[in-house]
Amino acid sequence: QVQLVESGGGVVQPGGSLRLSCAVSGFSVSYFGMHWVRQAPGKGLEWVAVMWDENGQKIFYGDSVKGRFTISRDNSKNTLFLQMDSLRAEDTGVYYCARRANHAPDKWGQGTLVTVSS
Amino acid sequence: EIVMTQSPLSLPVTPGEPASISCRSSQSLLYSNGYNYLNWYLQRPGQPPQLLIFLGSRRASGVADRLSASESATDFTLRISRVEAEDVGVYYCMQALQPPYTFGQGTKLELK
Repeated sequence: QVQLVESGGGVVQPGGSLRLSCAVSGFSVSYFGMHWVRQAPGKGLEWVAVMWDENGQKIFYGDSVKGRFTISRDNSKNTLFLQMDSLRAEDTGVYYCARRANHAPDKWGQGTLVTVSS
Repeated sequence: EIVMTQSPLSLPVTPGEPASISCRSSQSLLYSNGYNYLNWYLQRPGQPPQLLIFLGSRRASGVADRLSASESATDFTLRISRVEAEDVGVYYCMQALQPPYTFGQGTKLELK
């Protein structure tokens, strides 16, 4: 059974850092691409980042996070990460990880809430 | 960046009646393999998004056949033949042709 469980969210001050994790079961992160997507409170979905080849070499970011966020994975732990630095108030929201299959984020986790506030 | 525009943004529907949602992309989503890289999602209240349609018109596993999708290179439509209570939520289209991937604004479907 495919399962994705995000963790690592919390409250952080502007300019601070946070590292999100996405623990995966039922498939291997080394064989599937993986996305991060976020949703600000009461707003729509915003794509954040993707890693999508078996070597982890195809990595892309949304314009609003480029240079501040880093997507990575640990194949041995079957876990995806999102390192978030220089956080801003507008980064507040629920962060979802999702598997990439048939060019679509197809299976999603329940999300973890990140709040950037002083 | 490819801009995705949905309409309407709000959609009140009587149970048992049909519904349709439009999504337009600012450029063609047609890839050289003949597929449009367009996905549809439903986000029910308090839940993560659920994939409904991928590659333009292919229903995801477990999705009711009351849902269908039509496509051209830039114009896409999601149709529900008979709306039921479980269809309530916000529907999003998403282009997966080129990063940065982008979503439409969302269409909120509610029951009358």
